[in-house]
Amino acid sequence: NAGVTQTPKFRVLKTGQSMTLLCAQDMNHEYMYWYRQDPGMGLRLIHYSVGEGTTAKGEVPDGYNVSRLKKQNFLLGLESAAPSQTSVYFCASSYLGGNGYTFGSGTRLTVV
Amino acid sequence: AQSVAQPEDQVNVAEGNPLTVKCTYSVSGNPYLFWYVQYPNRGLQFLLKYITGDNLVKGSYGFEAEFNKSQTSFHLKKPSALVSDSALYFCAVRAFKAAGNKLTFGGGTRVLVKP
Repeated sequence: NAGVTQTPKFRVLKTGQSMTLLCAQDMNHEYMYWYRQDPGMGLRLIHYSVGEGTTAKGEVPDGYNVSRLKKQNFLLGLESAAPSQTSVYFCASSYLGGNGYTFGSGTRLTVV
Repeated sequence: AQSVAQPEDQVNVAEGNPLTVKCTYSVSGNPYLFWYVQYPNRGLQFLLKYITGDNLVKGSYGFEAEFNKSQTSFHLKKPSALVSDSALYFCAVRAFKAAGNKLTFGGGTRVLVKP
């Protein structure tokens, strides 16, 4: 019973490099989310998806892209990483009509 | 728009004493309210939620929270704190009909329980 799995757990990027963060859930949840966590700012929503093939912008979408080609996976891409994207990224999922989220354990990204 | 405020960055309490973590919210219509806890280098874990009904909600690990509609508050409480309760606590809200069930989180309150 894995729940929500994020890979990788840690990554260091140089400015301008690209990378993709993978989120996988095995609970057949319809909704998936990407948040970033920064000190004193709580969690801020980057993008979310309400179903396979659909994505929508959250509060802080600039510099990120997402894709949800399969229901169980939600990918977060950084095309050209910037130091301002140094953060801890959390993926979460919930079911249709659900009242809360299940979170992954996070990806700590440092951009130098 | 929906928002959450956690006015205290940190709360210090002695073990065995009552613990309170404050949260106020703003949302259109009826709120769904949540508390999550984050231990070091871990993801967020669900503690409790208020959807409807009794204003006093009981959750995991002996925590409870009281929904106060007139004060738009949802404070987290524990009668007797443990050292193991030391963690980062997040309050979250969403409107009843929020698109995509989107949650808005507060900035977090760090709780330090001293032996």
